[in-house]
Amino acid sequence: SAVISQKPSRDICQRGTSLTIQCQVDSQVTMMFWYRQQPGQSLTLIATANQGSEATYESGFVIDKFPISRPNLTFSTLTVSNMSPEDSSIYLCSVRLARPTDTQYFGPGTRLTVL
Amino acid sequence: RKEVEQDPGPFNVPEGATVAFNCTYSNSASQSFFWYRQDCRKEPKLLMSVYSSGNEDGRFTAQLNRASQYISLLIRDSKLSDSATYLCVVITTGGGNKLTFGTGTQLKVEL
Repeated sequence: SAVISQKPSRDICQRGTSLTIQCQVDSQVTMMFWYRQQPGQSLTLIATANQGSEATYESGFVIDKFPISRPNLTFSTLTVSNMSPEDSSIYLCSVRLARPTDTQYFGPGTRLTVL
Repeated sequence: RKEVEQDPGPFNVPEGATVAFNCTYSNSASQSFFWYRQDCRKEPKLLMSVYSSGNEDGRFTAQLNRASQYISLLIRDSKLSDSATYLCVVITTGGGNKLTFGTGTQLKVEL
């Protein structure tokens, strides 16, 4: 299995500011993902962040708004830029391990509230 | 139509009851299927994979019907600790092997 930690666990931010969320994994993984879970809703994939290449964004998400870094195989950051109240959500980091079985694990999430 | 659909519930059942959740998916190219469990204010955790032949893990049984594009989860002898949201998850070929989540079915097991 994979143990994933995220910082911060929660934050309250002002409109127009930016927040960078860190994700640390206890093992080297190729595939990392960033998800958003808005209140009462399921998870939506923001982007796939593979080491050594640019992040791939899903429809409705753009790099200027959600820049991602993936400097090595155990770490990634997601920045939520120029925040508005609509960005209030839980942001989850996730990794996929191929062995022993193809399984995806999630970090504990970062609960963001934008005032 | 959503790619993965679930009845949101909540399902309120007494302890010891048997409860079944259903999930339908729209893309026939979907190749892998899972049930995840999400407790309140926690991250999703894999409950079990779903195989074509069906699979069982203790009190939990998962079934897949590819012809009907339908997945089910059966929980027998419900425990209070089973109270959570159960997420149906699908991976589709050609979709970059991304997980697509259903909106989840909420289960409340009561005394």
